[in-house]
Amino acid sequence: NAGVTQTPKFQVLKTGQSMTLQCAQDMNHNSMYWYRQDPGMGLRLIYYSASEGTTDKGEVPNGYNVSRLNKREFSLRLESAAPSQTSVYFCASSKTKSRTSGSYNEQFFGPGTRLTVL
Amino acid sequence: KQEVTQIPAALSVPEGENLVLNCSFTDSAIYNLQWFRQDPGKGLTSLLLIQSSQREQTSGRLNASLDKSSGRSTLYIAASQPGDSATYLCAVEYGNKLVFGAGTILRVKS
Repeated sequence: NAGVTQTPKFQVLKTGQSMTLQCAQDMNHNSMYWYRQDPGMGLRLIYYSASEGTTDKGEVPNGYNVSRLNKREFSLRLESAAPSQTSVYFCASSKTKSRTSGSYNEQFFGPGTRLTVL
Repeated sequence: KQEVTQIPAALSVPEGENLVLNCSFTDSAIYNLQWFRQDPGKGLTSLLLIQSSQREQTSGRLNASLDKSSGRSTLYIAASQPGDSATYLCAVEYGNKLVFGAGTILRVKS
């Protein structure tokens, strides 16, 4: 199993350009997420998808759009890139699991995409 | 709004030392708390997950505790090794989402 994969690994854009970040998981997880990580800050949720066909905004959705193409794939699109979107982007997926103490969601992360907007 | 704080921001210790990383959160209505490890330029690796009904979880040299009522968690690393050098992130599951702290950068010197 590859787990969560992301493409590309690195990208440099000019202000105003558009691009799509791709994410795929092979763990049959229902939920998928997009985060950004900036220096000195924790990961912040951009968008998430609780199941195929649904998407919801997270903490910092402005300037982004998402598509849950099927159960495996969840893409993030920047329509008009801005320098403030320079960041490392992580995709994650999760599935509800059970222990004797109850159910829980454990998230698994991809390796990230380093995006620079000039 | 849920806020997660990690102290210290950075820590440097000699090899073999036991150490504690701290995480605090403002709203105790969490489903679970997860500790992650992040190596430079890499993604996150889940270390331990503590459900809201639990008090602690252990994996090898790692032990994580959770006190929901006081809004605190600690990650205890026993007999630290240079290979433990990484950033450690704490995250709480809150309203079906994860809210992260900024992390603690750990350096273990040989």
